[in-house]
Amino acid sequence: GENVEQHPSTLSVQEGDSAVIKCTYSDSASNYFPWYKQELGKRPQLIIDIRSNVGEKKDQRIAVTLNKTAKHFSLHITETQPEDSAVYFCAATTGGSYNTNAGKSTFGDGTTLTVKP
Amino acid sequence: DGGITQSPKYLFRKEGQNVTLSCEQNLNHDAMYWYRQDPGQGLRLIYYSQIVNDFQKGDIAEGYSVSREKKESFPLTVTSAQKNPTAFYLCASSPGWRAGEETQYFGPGTRLLVL
Repeated sequence: GENVEQHPSTLSVQEGDSAVIKCTYSDSASNYFPWYKQELGKRPQLIIDIRSNVGEKKDQRIAVTLNKTAKHFSLHITETQPEDSAVYFCAATTGGSYNTNAGKSTFGDGTTLTVKP
Repeated sequence: DGGITQSPKYLFRKEGQNVTLSCEQNLNHDAMYWYRQDPGQGLRLIYYSQIVNDFQKGDIAEGYSVSREKKESFPLTVTSAQKNPTAFYLCASSPGWRAGEETQYFGPGTRLLVL
């Protein structure tokens, strides 16, 4: 099955600095890679995603890059703000046909980001 | 997100008791999922359903059961066989399982505690 590794587990930055979180995956059948932000006690919220036919995607201060060959993808947050403090999860989702693992997501263990004012 | 509801918010289980967690969505999504989250850890897939009347085991299905009799509902039963059920349980749904349909949206979660 799919295995997703996420690093670092904790990350502390000064307000205004950039933050980078990296994930690797093992299954070449994975073709969709979402990133979620989870605040304490709350549900995960999708912040950005990328598909395997795209190398990079940007949405304001957030960007994601994907290297299919190396099987790794990264989240980049620029100009960090205290409200960016949360746990961030990457996931790899399997493609395929009905009654296989299609649509099944495997999550990383999360990165706790702290942005110091 | 507002279209996915979970109840109750907190649930207490006694030894040897089965409990059922509710998950309902009004988004007309085909696919639904159940995850377990332990403190400081990621989400682990318990069961998922690509379409109504069908479901598959995830990575940690032992001690759990589900049904998918209606498109909008995917209840999870935590059985007495699950020896360590204390966790935060998250339900999610996605438009489907095909490419372009896989984005999952989460409910608010149910926190299960053992008495």
